[in-house]
Amino acid sequence: EVQVLESGGGLVQPGGSLRLSCAASGFTFSNYGMSWVRQAPGKGLEWVSVISYSGHMTYYSDSVKGRFTISRDNSENTLSLQMNSLRAEDTAIYYCAKLTPPGTRAFDIWGQGTMVTVSS
Amino acid sequence: QSALTQPASVSGSPGQSITISCIGTSSDIGSYNLVSWYQQQPGKAPKLMIYEVNKRPSGVSNRFSGSKSGNTASLTISGLQAKDEADYYCCSSAGSSIFAVFGGGTKLSVL
Repeated sequence: EVQVLESGGGLVQPGGSLRLSCAASGFTFSNYGMSWVRQAPGKGLEWVSVISYSGHMTYYSDSVKGRFTISRDNSENTLSLQMNSLRAEDTAIYYCAKLTPPGTRAFDIWGQGTMVTVSS
Repeated sequence: QSALTQPASVSGSPGQSITISCIGTSSDIGSYNLVSWYQQQPGKAPKLMIYEVNKRPSGVSNRFSGSKSGNTASLTISGLQAKDEADYYCCSSAGSSIFAVFGGGTKLSVL
């Protein structure tokens, strides 16, 4: 079964750091780009970051640029998101999502999400 | 990058058809045939329903269809069923560095 599973969420103080992980299985991880999408409580979806299949290209939304870093380990089939200088507005469910084949820019497999709460 | 504009809510009766609009700009929807649509049931992860404007992933009912005209994309659901009640989000590419921008979401009620 094709699936991704997030972990690492929790409660962190403003200005703190947190590292999210996403374990992939059921597909050739190294062939697909991966992304993080978040959803604040009661709000809509917001794209956060994307990484190419090789890891050589990364992009970020303006809201997290300079604070978050996306990375991947194709030998371990894992995706990560290092989040620094966290703010209250970063509070959200963070979803790991697999991209459809290159060029289509859609997210076809989603995890169940991991909750990040930034509060003092 | 501003979010795409969707109606907050739409409703329909079982068996009817409804259309959800998604209004963007010439920088996103108007420039790329890379519009996708997602269904999100309460407490669940989003599910891909349409990609590349009008393509359905395997397993998605043919009651779901997508289209685009200019800066506006649309999702049509025909033969409405109670199980279609959910939030729906559109998404578009907005350039090489702005990988994706989502709409604000539309709550579909099946009356």
